[in-house]
Amino acid sequence: EAGVAQSPRYKIIEKRQSVAFWCNPISGHATLYWYQQILGQGPKLLIQFQNNGVVDDSQLPKDRFSAERLKGVDSTLKIQPAKLEDSAVYLCASSLETGARKVYEQYFGPGTRLTVT
Amino acid sequence: SQQGEEDPQALSIQEGENATMNCSYKTSINNLQWYRQNSGRGLVHLILIRSNEREKHSGRLRVTLDTSKKSSSLLITASRAADTASYFCATVPLSGSARQLTFGSGTQLTVLP
Repeated sequence: EAGVAQSPRYKIIEKRQSVAFWCNPISGHATLYWYQQILGQGPKLLIQFQNNGVVDDSQLPKDRFSAERLKGVDSTLKIQPAKLEDSAVYLCASSLETGARKVYEQYFGPGTRLTVT
Repeated sequence: SQQGEEDPQALSIQEGENATMNCSYKTSINNLQWYRQNSGRGLVHLILIRSNEREKHSGRLRVTLDTSKKSSSLLITASRAADTASYFCATVPLSGSARQLTFGSGTQLTVLP
């Protein structure tokens, strides 16, 4: 089966500019996650979607970050305006978990490495 | 915030040796998972151990869980150069509907040929 796809793989922008990342999860996976991974640290959850609804966005800096999941499939994560501390790898993951079936394993995309200068 | 903390932060061993990484966490869990991340890549799920399990094996991997100490260990036997990667533990909380993973800070394993 095809894995989680993300684009772009790399992005360099100046501070105060905007940027968008795209994610296509594994077909049939109801749950989609966006993580931020700063160099040398583990991934930190930004937002979790179940189908096209937000389950948890408590750690998303909503003054500058936004995310949507159109039709419960693809998702985009946007940063506007970017700050230097947003430099990180942004990982998208999906899992099969639905309301009836609890599956905890997550499948990760390759990530987008963002550098803000 | 990081739920799990791995120990050591970095580990360097010779090919063929065993590698042991430890993870401690803070809150009660439903399960604990280990992931591997090769440089510049996404994370790959290795193994999941439930809170009512004490030990689990998968190929050259052995995971133990001690819920009384809130700790887990990952043992990689007969290591290979291809095992060089960062290893993360991640926990799923016992309560709550989100069933989110909370990752530790990782152990960087280097296997020297």
